[in-house]
Amino acid sequence: NAGVTQTPKFRVLKTGQSMTLLCAQDMNHEYMYWYRQDPGMGLRLIHYSVGEGTTAKGEVPDGYNVSRLKKQNFLLGLESAAPSQTSVYFCASSLQGDTEAFFGQGTRLTVV
Amino acid sequence: AQTVTQSQPEMSVQEAETVTLSCTYDTSESDYYLFWYKQPPSRQMILVIRQEAYKQQNATENRFSVNFQKAAKSFSLKISDSQLGDAAMYFCAYRSRQGWGNKLVFGAGTILRVKS
Repeated sequence: NAGVTQTPKFRVLKTGQSMTLLCAQDMNHEYMYWYRQDPGMGLRLIHYSVGEGTTAKGEVPDGYNVSRLKKQNFLLGLESAAPSQTSVYFCASSLQGDTEAFFGQGTRLTVV
Repeated sequence: AQTVTQSQPEMSVQEAETVTLSCTYDTSESDYYLFWYKQPPSRQMILVIRQEAYKQQNATENRFSVNFQKAAKSFSLKISDSQLGDAAMYFCAYRSRQGWGNKLVFGAGTILRVKS
C-alpha cells in the first residue's frame, strides 16, 4: 500500500516554464489537497478537491491550476513558473472531511 | 479566518529530558480539531497527536501529551523522555469542523534539536 505518492520529488524550472505535479493515492480517499511549505510560514493550502471532478481554491491559489479527473489523482499545474513559486509542495488526502489527512513525501521545486 | 501561532522558532532539549512546544490559535468557532505534526529531515509529515475541542481530557500518545486550554486558545505539546529520533520540525495545526474538506491551518513550525 503506497499511500500518497508525489511525482517528481525534485525539479528545477526556468522562469516562464510550465509543469505539472502529480499526486496519486491508492486509499480510495474522497478529499485531496495541495499545500506549499515555505520557511517561517508553515504549510499553506493552494487548492483542494472534495471529490472526483471538483476543485476549490485555498489560501494561496494564484498562479496555480488543478484538476481531479480521476478520483485517485490530483494534478497541480504551473502555467508560467515564477521564482516566488520556489517551494516544497505537499499533496494530502483524506477519506472524508473529518478524518485523518495523509501526506505525500513532498516535491522540492526551484524556479530560477 | 483562523490563525495558528508558534512563537518558538527553535527549541533544544537534552536526551531523556522533557520539552514543551507552544502553540496558540485564534478562532471564533467552538468545535474544531487541533493537531501536532512532526516533520523529520525526510520531509514526511507524521501525525503525532490529535485533540478534539469538545473533549476536556488532554490527548496522550505514549511519550507525547498535550495541554489543551480552550479558553486561552492554547495547545502545547509535551515530549517526555526525549530521544534523538524526536529531532524534527513540529507543526501545530487547526481544522474547523464547519464547511467542506479537511483544510488544515498550520503554524510556522518549531525546530526541535535533541542533544546527546
